Amino acid sequence: AQSVSQHNHHVILSEAASLELGCNYSYGGTVNLFWYVQYPGQHLQLLLKYFSGDPLVKGIKGFEAEFIKSKFSFNLRKPSVQWSDTAEYFCAVNAGGYNKLIFGAGTRLAVHP
Amino acid sequence: ETGVTQTPRHLVMGMTNKKSLKCEQHLGHNAMYWYKQSAKKPLELMFVYNFKEQTENNSVPSRFSPECPNSSHLFLHLHTLQPEDSALYLCASSGQVGSPGELFFGEGSRLTVL
Repeated sequence: AQSVSQHNHHVILSEAASLELGCNYSYGGTVNLFWYVQYPGQHLQLLLKYFSGDPLVKGIKGFEAEFIKSKFSFNLRKPSVQWSDTAEYFCAVNAGGYNKLIFGAGTRLAVHP
Repeated sequence: ETGVTQTPRHLVMGMTNKKSLKCEQHLGHNAMYWYKQSAKKPLELMFVYNFKEQTENNSVPSRFSPECPNSSHLFLHLHTLQPEDSALYLCASSGQVGSPGELFFGEGSRLTVL
């Protein structure tokens, strides 16, 4: 069965620190990959997505993610976080061309001023 | 404003009650979804509807009964729930099943079962 693993449940950073959140998935075929973000009290919203082409994708608010097929990974990065990035981040995989997104357990990020 | 509206936002019910969650999308999408979000667990896909037809039931207990009268509305009928069913229930919509597009989520209905 397809699954998504997010390595860190909680991450605490100071403003201006660099961020990398890990995401690994288990599926051997073609995948579409997503990162969603949930700010406190708000709905889940799309941060970025990878379908094909350049494995380095850029999303909103300065976030980017790199798809490494050989490692089954899709890690999220931001060079310098802000207090407003405090949120929960979810990695998701859509395998087999079907809109059945499988989500990871999420990583809760807290950024201190 | 996400284009996906869920009501009620909060619901407290006893184990013998019957209640319903409602979802409405204003995006013209054809597919609608119910997800369950529990603390420290991955979002669990519960049901998928495409053009009003159920295309996915992820082994959900029968105490949860979905209904999709049209492509814009989705309900989750609840009866004889258990305390472990307490969670945030998220509704989402997308362009169409089979297209690897983006899901648009509502803000969720937080359910507490006493």
